[in-house]
Amino acid sequence: GAVVSQHPSRVICKSGTSVKIECRSLDFQATTMFWYRQFPKKSLMLMATSNEGSKATYEQGVEKDKFLINHASLTLSTLTVTSAHPEDSSFYICSARDPYTDTQYFGPGTRLTVL
Amino acid sequence: GEDVEQSLFLSVREGDSSVINCTYTDSSSTYLYWYKQEPGAGLQLLTYIFSNMDMKQDQRLTVLLNKKDKHLSLRIADTQTGDSAIYFCAEIKGTGFQKLVFGTGTRLLVSP
Repeated sequence: GAVVSQHPSRVICKSGTSVKIECRSLDFQATTMFWYRQFPKKSLMLMATSNEGSKATYEQGVEKDKFLINHASLTLSTLTVTSAHPEDSSFYICSARDPYTDTQYFGPGTRLTVL
Repeated sequence: GEDVEQSLFLSVREGDSSVINCTYTDSSSTYLYWYKQEPGAGLQLLTYIFSNMDMKQDQRLTVLLNKKDKHLSLRIADTQTGDSAIYFCAEIKGTGFQKLVFGTGTRLLVSP
């Protein structure tokens, strides 16, 4: 299947700092990428839809000024958690939609721990 | 209900069949998916089924779809210890721009 990578896989930061997570589709061009958040032993919660060349669409209850999304190219979307707080600690997973198969392929996830 | 529901936990012995059930919400969903998540990892697409099908078989995996009851199941034949993971069903929701909505996840434990 298609490969989607995320970087970093794990990050620990201090409260108040910003953290950037990258999501790359490695073997197809993705006009649409998605960012999810997963709490321990819970399902995935869609945070936002990232569209190449335009503004992201955020789900209800997700602060767009806190979770900045940039989709500057057809293979890269970034999620920046600004002024991180301990409650932002979570597992963040991205996915990229292959436009030819209309299938979402998921990255391996990034575990964020805010101290 | 509003949620895509799954039973939380399933325990089987190696070599047995496993059946994971899912009740979804949107009768107009065109695709339904099964994903596997191993500890600390992302999601791996296992299989999917079109809404106009009622069964799909892919090696050890069999997906059954009952559109009338909005019920989806995943059967894993000859379950192995490597199949231990969390399994999520997901449906496509919305018109125009569509998004995946995930079930609550079923933790499958396979014992030797």
